[in-house]
Amino acid sequence: EPEVTQTPSHQVTQMGQEVILRCVPISNHLYFYWYRQILGQKVEFLVSFYNNEISEKSEIFDDQFSVERPDGSNFTLKIRSTKLEDSAMYFCASSGVSRTVSYEQYFGPGTRLTVT
Amino acid sequence: AQSVSQHNHHVILSEAASLELGCNYSYGGTVNLFWYVQYPGQHLQLLLKYFSGDPLVKGIKGFEAEFIKSKFSFNLRKPSVQWSDTAEYFCAVIYGGSQGNLIFGKGTKLSVKP
Repeated sequence: EPEVTQTPSHQVTQMGQEVILRCVPISNHLYFYWYRQILGQKVEFLVSFYNNEISEKSEIFDDQFSVERPDGSNFTLKIRSTKLEDSAMYFCASSGVSRTVSYEQYFGPGTRLTVT
Repeated sequence: AQSVSQHNHHVILSEAASLELGCNYSYGGTVNLFWYVQYPGQHLQLLLKYFSGDPLVKGIKGFEAEFIKSKFSFNLRKPSVQWSDTAEYFCAVIYGGSQGNLIFGKGTKLSVKP
């Protein structure tokens, strides 16, 4: 069964460093998402991406964040200058070919980001 | 603000007990409703979803949920739980006008004792 994959599974970085989290969505999906979950808190929406542009973003997704689909398969989240409060589990998700048919989002296993 | 509330943080049941997990959402307009499950060490997986039609929806593994519009609720039920249902359960909502932004509740951890 096709699945969303994410790398790395765990990333440790120092405050102020740039990190790139990688995701490979399901191959025929067109809509891509990033969510995060700070330990003990809710899963929070960050950004959605369709047709090579951001379609919606939350207030968390400030200028320090960016997303990109550099080729036909990868979907990346970049944090330019990490802060301690960026420590969280980051989930990538993708959904299928027709938004009107289904909003079912398939989630990856997550990348645990630890900022020290 | 649009939000989703799950009433129980941690539920502990014995096998064969019945389960009901509460979920309420804050908004009165069009909503699409979901329950996701995360088994230990695994991905978030969709259990069931409601878009329209019959308010009682059936999902995988014997789970069902009922959408009650007047109560802004979408409670998850299972008549008889098994040890393998031990997991964290998340209610999530897409509000009308959104581009697919899932708003999650805090999750309910279910522990089933064999």
